[in-house]
Amino acid sequence: GAVVSQHPSWVICKSGTSVKIECRSLDFQATTMFWYRQFPKQSLMLMATSNEGSKATYEQGVEKDKFLINHASLTLSTLTVTSAHPEDSSFYICSARFPSGPSTDTQYFGPGTRLTVL
Amino acid sequence: QQPVQSPQAVILREGEDAVINCSSSKALYSVHWYRQKHGEAPVFLMILLKGGEQKGHDKISASFNEKKQQSSLYLTASQLSYSGTYFCGTEGKGGYQKVTFGIGTKLQVIP
Repeated sequence: GAVVSQHPSWVICKSGTSVKIECRSLDFQATTMFWYRQFPKQSLMLMATSNEGSKATYEQGVEKDKFLINHASLTLSTLTVTSAHPEDSSFYICSARFPSGPSTDTQYFGPGTRLTVL
Repeated sequence: QQPVQSPQAVILREGEDAVINCSSSKALYSVHWYRQKHGEAPVFLMILLKGGEQKGHDKISASFNEKKQQSSLYLTASQLSYSGTYFCGTEGKGGYQKVTFGIGTKLQVIP
């Protein structure tokens, strides 16, 4: 299957700092990427849809000024958690829409980034 | 709207079969199935697009009943490696919409 990478795999930071997470599609171009957050033993909650060259579309309840998304190229989307607080600690997962997979709607997930805010 | 999965958890012995169901209250364009192991990202299993469609890979298969807005995932002769949490994701009519995931079904296969 298609490969999506995330960097870093985990990060520990102090409260008030900003953290950037990168999501890359390694062997295909992804016009659309998605950012999810997953709390322990819970489902994947979509945070935002990232489209190359345009502003991200945020889900209801997600603060766009806190979770900055930039989709600068067809292979890279970044999520920046600004002024992180302990309640932002979570597993953040990106996915990329594979344009010519079994259907145009197949999503491949990155390995995830575990954020811990002290 | 989040699809409903059942059961929430199941324990199987190696070689036993299991069925995981996913139902939606809205008309569906597609159903996606993923498996997630602890601490890892979800791994794509399959996607179903057409009503009545059935697909399979190895001993894992799925069906999509478009009229009933339901999908079922079938695990046959389960192996230890099947353990994990299975998520269904549904996409509404119109395509290119977001995929909404169910709460997951935790499957544990024991020797």
